[in-house]
Amino acid sequence: DIQMTQSPSSLSASLGERVSLTCRASQDIGSSLNWLQQEPDGTIKRLIYATSSLDSGVPKRFSGSRSGSDYSLTISSLESEDFVDYYCLQYASSPLTFGAGTKLELK
Amino acid sequence: EVKLVESGGGLVQPGGSLRLSCATSGFTFTDYYMSWVRQPPGKALEWLGFIRNKANGYTTEYSASVKGRFTISRDNSQSILYLQMNTLRAEDSATYYCARRDFDYWGQGTTLTVSS
Repeated sequence: DIQMTQSPSSLSASLGERVSLTCRASQDIGSSLNWLQQEPDGTIKRLIYATSSLDSGVPKRFSGSRSGSDYSLTISSLESEDFVDYYCLQYASSPLTFGAGTKLELK
Repeated sequence: EVKLVESGGGLVQPGGSLRLSCATSGFTFTDYYMSWVRQPPGKALEWLGFIRNKANGYTTEYSASVKGRFTISRDNSQSILYLQMNTLRAEDSATYYCARRDFDYWGQGTTLTVSS
């Protein structure tokens, strides 16, 4: 199975700050990675698909990138609604696997 | 508008069974793989399995944690996805989500509690 090691597990940051979250894949997944956002009420929304494609309606402050086996979600300037949970998901092969999540907290 | 609405969660005793439903609308259901994902309280998301689309024969794949106990099926005439869960354990307690193939649309989740 492909392991997705997501870091950090939590991150304390300020409004307007630039932050990056990372998922490292244990095997080659190519570009088969999504980034998901989960609100406190459980609502889940996809932000990024295929590593770096921004979903429709998602603010341009979100971006995705890849460097080798490391996949990153970057938020260029944090806004208040961004302080929620984030997960990566690889869909290159079954079983599909999620990262353990990152909780973004307001400093 | 694409919609996915889960239902069927509740309280079940250990060893019991339950079937969850995911009613869909706003897209051609038979064109899409559909997945089930769960999230135990305070924990991460876990993929449970998917059922392929018509072009791929509606075959299924499961995670090792539920293979043999859970069954994913679909009623294509009514655009409903199902998750049949048998031999339930306390560790199956979670919020269960359905999602469209590319995880671009998710339901709001339905909660299962397995407890005596």
